[in-house]
Amino acid sequence: DAGVIQSPRHEVTEMGQEVTLRCKPISGHDYLFWYRQTMMRGLELLIYFNNNVPIDDSGMPEDRFSAKMPNASFSTLKIQPSEPRDSAVYFCASSLQGEGYTFGSGTRLTVV
Amino acid sequence: GDSVTQMEGPVTLSEEAFLTINCTYTATGYPSLFWYVQYPGEGLQLLLKATKADDKGSNKGFEATYRKETTSFHLEKGSVQVSDSAVYFCALGDNQGGKLIFGQGTELSVKP
Repeated sequence: DAGVIQSPRHEVTEMGQEVTLRCKPISGHDYLFWYRQTMMRGLELLIYFNNNVPIDDSGMPEDRFSAKMPNASFSTLKIQPSEPRDSAVYFCASSLQGEGYTFGSGTRLTVV
Repeated sequence: GDSVTQMEGPVTLSEEAFLTINCTYTATGYPSLFWYVQYPGEGLQLLLKATKADDKGSNKGFEATYRKETTSFHLEKGSVQVSDSAVYFCALGDNQGGKLIFGQGTELSVKP
C-alpha cells in the first residue's frame, strides 16, 4: 500500500483565495482525520470521519473551513476565503479503529 | 476529559546517552497508548504502542511500558543516535472509537 497520500505537498496562495487540500486514505481504513500543525498550537484535530460520515467537527476553526468525504477513498479540506493565519501544515491520517493512525506527509500551506 | 501530558522539550543529549521522555495520561476506562515520531519535514509515524496494562511496546531500540498504577507510558532508549533527533508525541486512543488524543510533543536533539 502506498500509504496515506496528500496533495499538494506545498501550496502558496493569496489571502482571500480558495484552497482545497486532498487526501487519499489507506484502502480498508474506516476512519479519516484532518489535523493542523503550527508552532504555536501544536497538533489540532479539525474533523474526523467514520465510514465517510463526519463524526466530530468541533475543531474546525470557522465557517471558512469545510471538509467532505464523498467516498471511502477520497477526502477534501477546503478553506474559503483563506487568511494568513491559516498558514500551517495540514495532515490527513487514516486508521482502523484502535489500531493507531497512519499519517500522510502533509500539505504546507502558506497564505500571503 | 481524556488528556496526555508530556515532558517539555527540547531535550538535548549526546550520542549514546540514555533517553527518557515522560508521558502521563488521564482517561476513563482502558485506552490504548501510542508513541509517534516526527522527523523534520515529515508526517508522524507510529513508533510503538501498547493496548493494555503492563504491556511493553518496542521498536528500533525504543521501549515504553503501559503503567496503569501510575497512568504513565514513558519512552526510553538505552543509547540514542544522531538519527533519533525528532519530535516525539505520546497519544492515547479514547474509548469513543478511533480518535487519538496527542500530547504536545517533545523535541529531541542528539549531538555527535
